[in-house]
Amino acid sequence: NAGVTQTPKFRILKIGQSMTLQCTQDMNHNYMYWYRQDPGMGLKLIYYSVGAGITDKGEVPNGYNVSRSTTEDFPLRLELAAPSQTSVYFCASRNGGGGPKDRYGYTFGSGTRLTVV
Amino acid sequence: KNEVEQSPQNLTAQEGEFITINCSYSVGISALHWLQQHPGGGIVSLFMLSSGKKKHGRLIATINIQEKHSSLHITASHPRDSAVYICAVNLNVGSQGNLIFGKGTKLSVKP
Repeated sequence: NAGVTQTPKFRILKIGQSMTLQCTQDMNHNYMYWYRQDPGMGLKLIYYSVGAGITDKGEVPNGYNVSRSTTEDFPLRLELAAPSQTSVYFCASRNGGGGPKDRYGYTFGSGTRLTVV
Repeated sequence: KNEVEQSPQNLTAQEGEFITINCSYSVGISALHWLQQHPGGGIVSLFMLSSGKKKHGRLIATINIQEKHSSLHITASHPRDSAVYICAVNLNVGSQGNLIFGKGTKLSVKP
């Protein structure tokens, strides 16, 4: 099992450029998440998905977009890159239905380090 | 005030020392997670707890639901334990499994 695979590992973008961060999992997990990690801060949720065809905004969704056409893939799109989007991005997945009785753990990707200049 | 607070922020230890990292939270939770992140690296799940205590090798995690507090212990610490340790929680309801993260504790173990 590869787990959660993120590509690319590093990327430098110019202001106004667009790109897609790829995330694929091979564990047949229903739930997938995109987080960003800024220096000295806890990870913040950008978008999440509870299954194919279903996505929802997290805490910091502005400037990003997602799709979930398959269970395996959850790409994150940056349409007009801004310096404020310089960060490390993590994709994560888990199985389980949510709620107080959900007891499943998470699998994280290795991260994408993005710099916008 | 952050919902998840970790202490200390930074910790330096000598090889072989017993290490404790603390996590306090202010909300009702269904589970608490301890994660490890090496410099420039990805995030690895160490433990998921909803009560009591779990042990894996030299790592021990405990949680006290009534006091809203968890600890991560490392016995016989080693330089390879140097990493950032992150506490995260699942809220009780309505969160779709989203995690609320602490800011992390940076551990450095000197040989």
